Amino acid sequence: EAQVTQNPRYLITVTGKKLTVTCSQNMNHEYMSWYRQDPGLGLRQIYYSMNVEVTDKGDVPEGYKVSRKEKRNFPLILESPSPNQTSLYFCASSLFSGGNQPQHFGDGTRLSIL
Amino acid sequence: TQLLEQSPQFLSIQEGENLTVYCNSSSVFSSLQWYRQEPGEGPVLLVTVVTGGEVKKLKRLTFQFGDARKDSSLHITAAQPGDTGLYLCAGTTSGTYKYIFGTGTRLKVLA
Repeated sequence: EAQVTQNPRYLITVTGKKLTVTCSQNMNHEYMSWYRQDPGLGLRQIYYSMNVEVTDKGDVPEGYKVSRKEKRNFPLILESPSPNQTSLYFCASSLFSGGNQPQHFGDGTRLSIL
Repeated sequence: TQLLEQSPQFLSIQEGENLTVYCNSSSVFSSLQWYRQEPGEGPVLLVTVVTGGEVKKLKRLTFQFGDARKDSSLHITAAQPGDTGLYLCAGTTSGTYKYIFGTGTRLKVLA
C-alpha cells in the first residue's frame, strides 16, 4: 500500500532533549516536506527536499533540522526543543516538485514540549 | 511571506444547503490545490487547478481558479454530513518549490 509513515504518532518530552521524528515513503517520490499545523495558522512548511541531498527552508525553519540521505526517508530533528515547538507535525511527499503534483500526507505526529 | 486567506473560518450548515469557501491572495500562484482533512489524519487532495479561469467538478464539489490566478473558490451543492471536515487550499508561486497553505475552513454539516 502506498503510504507516508511517520513515527512516533505522539510524543511528550521536555525542553532541550533532542528528538527525531522519522518519515518514510514507499512511492519513490522525489519531493518530501515537513509541515507544522497550529490552530488558526493552517499548515506551515518547515523544510522541503527536492531529492537526495537537496533540502531547503520553508517558511518556519528556525529550531529544526532535516536530512535526506536516502530517497525514502526524511527525518525531522529538533536539536533543543522548546515549548513553542509544541504542535501537530505532518510529513508529505509528491512524485516531483511543482504545485500541480498531489502531496501525500502521513497521519501526523503530535508533539508536546514541556 | 505570501499568504492564502480563507473565508469563512468556520461554517455550520444544515444538510442539503449549498456553500462556498473562498481562498484569496495578493500573489499569483502557478497552481492551487484543495485538500480535505479529517480529525487524526493528514490532508487528502481533492483537486488541482492550474489555468486561470479553470473550473473543475468533483461530484457535488465545484472548484474555480480565478482569472488572475490569485484566488480560488470551492462550492458544495446539497451538502451532506460526510462533507464535514477541514478544507485547505494550497499552492506554489512561480519559481519556488515552497508550498503555502491557507488558514483553513472548518465545515460542519448537520443531519
